[in-house]
Amino acid sequence: EAEVAQSPRYKITEKSQAVAFWCDPISGHATLYWYRQILGQGPELLVQFQDESVVDDSQLPKDRFSAERLKGVDSTLKIQPAELGDSAMYLCASSFRRDGTEAFFGQGTRLTVV
Amino acid sequence: DQQVKQNSPSLSVQEGRISILNCDYTNSMFDYFLWYKKYPAEGPTFLISISSIKDKNEDGRFTVFLNKSAKHLSLHIVPSQPGDSAVYFCAAGAQKLVFGQGTRLTINP
Repeated sequence: EAEVAQSPRYKITEKSQAVAFWCDPISGHATLYWYRQILGQGPELLVQFQDESVVDDSQLPKDRFSAERLKGVDSTLKIQPAELGDSAMYLCASSFRRDGTEAFFGQGTRLTVV
Repeated sequence: DQQVKQNSPSLSVQEGRISILNCDYTNSMFDYFLWYKKYPAEGPTFLISISSIKDKNEDGRFTVFLNKSAKHLSLHIVPSQPGDSAVYFCAAGAQKLVFGQGTRLTINP
């Protein structure tokens, strides 16, 4: 069964260091999302791609976060420098529909900043 | 401003009975709604969705009801099984998904 692949599953980093997450969406899914989920809360959208273009990054802290999807397939999310408050689960999702219905999630990357 | 709210952080139900999870939203522009299930240390798994043109969608033991006038949706699970124990998120969208805070469902044997 096709699934969204994310790596690493877990990451521990010191504050002020750089960290990067990778996502490979389900083949053929044009829409890709990065979400952040803080414990006890629902996922919050950070950035949405349609193919290689960013369509929504209004909630992305652009002073330290960046995201790219150069060839419209896999994507990376980077944080530099990491802060203690960035500790969270980072989830990637993809959808074959442009309106985002039935988005399928990867297993996420659990980031701990110490 | 929380556009999607799940007011019950937790719910405990006896195995075999019906579980009802509720969700309220404020944005009348939302035109589709989804429920996700999440186990610890895993990503959310899509369960069931409904578009704003319908008021009910059923898939096996799972049924989602939408009341547009009340801006309320609910997920019914019947009969509830121990494997249903998880955190359930509702999400609403119009181009992008907005998630509620989640409800932790525990099914007791």
